[in-house]
Amino acid sequence: ILNVEQSPQSLHVQEGDSTNFTCSFPSSNFYALHWYRWETAKSPEALFVMTLNGDEKKKGRISATLNTKEGYSYLYIKGSQPEDSATYLCAFKYNTDKLIFGTGTRLQVFP
Amino acid sequence: KAGVTQTPRYLIKTRGQQVTLSCSPISGHRSVSWYQQTPGQGLQFLFEYFSETQRNKGNFPGRFSGRQFSNSRSEMNVSTLELGDSALYLCASSLDLIGGGVNSPLHFGNGTRLTVT
Repeated sequence: ILNVEQSPQSLHVQEGDSTNFTCSFPSSNFYALHWYRWETAKSPEALFVMTLNGDEKKKGRISATLNTKEGYSYLYIKGSQPEDSATYLCAFKYNTDKLIFGTGTRLQVFP
Repeated sequence: KAGVTQTPRYLIKTRGQQVTLSCSPISGHRSVSWYQQTPGQGLQFLFEYFSETQRNKGNFPGRFSGRQFSNSRSEMNVSTLELGDSALYLCASSLDLIGGGVNSPLHFGNGTRLTVT
C-alpha cells in the first residue's frame, strides 16, 4: 500500500516566523509531487507541481524543494502571515497513476 | 474564467437512499476526478473521467459510480447509502489526464457535504 506522510500534523506559529513542513513518499516509481493549500471554507488551490529531483519552486513567500531519491519534499513559508493559515496538502503521483494525498499539515499563524 | 462548480453544496440523506452529485469543470478541461474526505483521512481518490471514459478507479465499492458527459460535466452516484458515506466529496478538473504524461495541477470545486442519517 502506497503511503504519503506529512509532518507535523499541525503547527502554530507567530506572525513573522518562518516555518517548514515535510511530505514523505515512496522513492520508487516517482512521477510527480503536488502541493496544495486548502483554506477553511474554500477549495484546495494548487501551489506547485514538481517532477525533477532537486527541483525548487517559489511562489511569493512560499517555496518547495524535492528529493526523489530519498522520497521527501519540504515546503517553506518565510515570514508567515495570518492569511497563510490553511491546511497544506501534498500529493504523490506514482508511475503516471492516480494522485495519492497525504493527510495534510494544518498551519495556524497568530497575529 | 469560471472555476469548478459542484452542486449541491449540502445534502442530507437517509441510509439506503441513493444520491447524485454534479461537477462542472473549468472550460477546456477534459479530466474530472472525484475525491472523498472524511475526518482524519487524506483525500481518497474515487475515480477519474477523461473524454467520457473512466480512466482510473480507487478502492471504493461498486456502490460508487460516475459518468462524464460530452461537455466534460461529470456526475457521481452513490447507491444504498451507508452512514460511513458521510463525507465531503470534492471534484477536480485538469487540462490533461492525471495518469498521462503531462503534470497539470488539479483545480478543485468547493465540494458537496453529504450527511447520511
